[in-house]
Amino acid sequence: QKEVEQNSGPLSVPEGAIASLNCTYSDRGSQSFFWYRQYSGKSPELIMSIYSNGDKEDGRFTAQLNKASQYVSLLIRDSQPSDSATYLCAVNRNQGGKLIFGQGTELSVKP
Amino acid sequence: KAGVTQTPRYLIKTRGQQVTLSCSPISGHRSVSWYQQTPGQGLQFLFEYFSETQRNKGNFPGRFSGRQFSNSRSEMNVSTLELGDSALYLCASSPAGGITDTQYFGPGTRLTVL
Repeated sequence: QKEVEQNSGPLSVPEGAIASLNCTYSDRGSQSFFWYRQYSGKSPELIMSIYSNGDKEDGRFTAQLNKASQYVSLLIRDSQPSDSATYLCAVNRNQGGKLIFGQGTELSVKP
Repeated sequence: KAGVTQTPRYLIKTRGQQVTLSCSPISGHRSVSWYQQTPGQGLQFLFEYFSETQRNKGNFPGRFSGRQFSNSRSEMNVSTLELGDSALYLCASSPAGGITDTQYFGPGTRLTVL
């Protein structure tokens, strides 16, 4: 079992729809969670971080964390073609600057 | 503030050679982490340096090494290159590598081993 798992996709949604990206992790000691977006040929950039159970909203993005279920998700409302990218879930298990990444979910938003 | 910079951006080497990659963190950031990204394995943690000390290490062979200087700039070295070392090497910096610190990534160095 991988430490951080994501559906590889591709996930295809129409413009204006809600995109839902999911991530599970295996280590209950994981304490902080990050969603990065990576455009093809570029480096990852942070979208959201979440540390406590519940929802965290930032503009069109909402991160949800459920530590009991070891599950973190990212919702993108009103999806735009510019949101088409690979979304990476990353987990910090309190090991300094060490992030464990999932394989990423490729999102395609169709006009 | 200037972002994380990495040099060189592209490298082509042959098997058996060695290579040194450089990373300059965001000003004031003291933690530098290195990652390898390949299509098959995704993003994998190599090591992290903080205050010139290696604080964490991933599951890579000893051919992969690094160091950090007093100005927080970091280098990583790969000796005796293998074809499988072809990858995008990313460095990321954060203020202190703390549990809630965001890591900011540089543009990466694309290494091709022939």
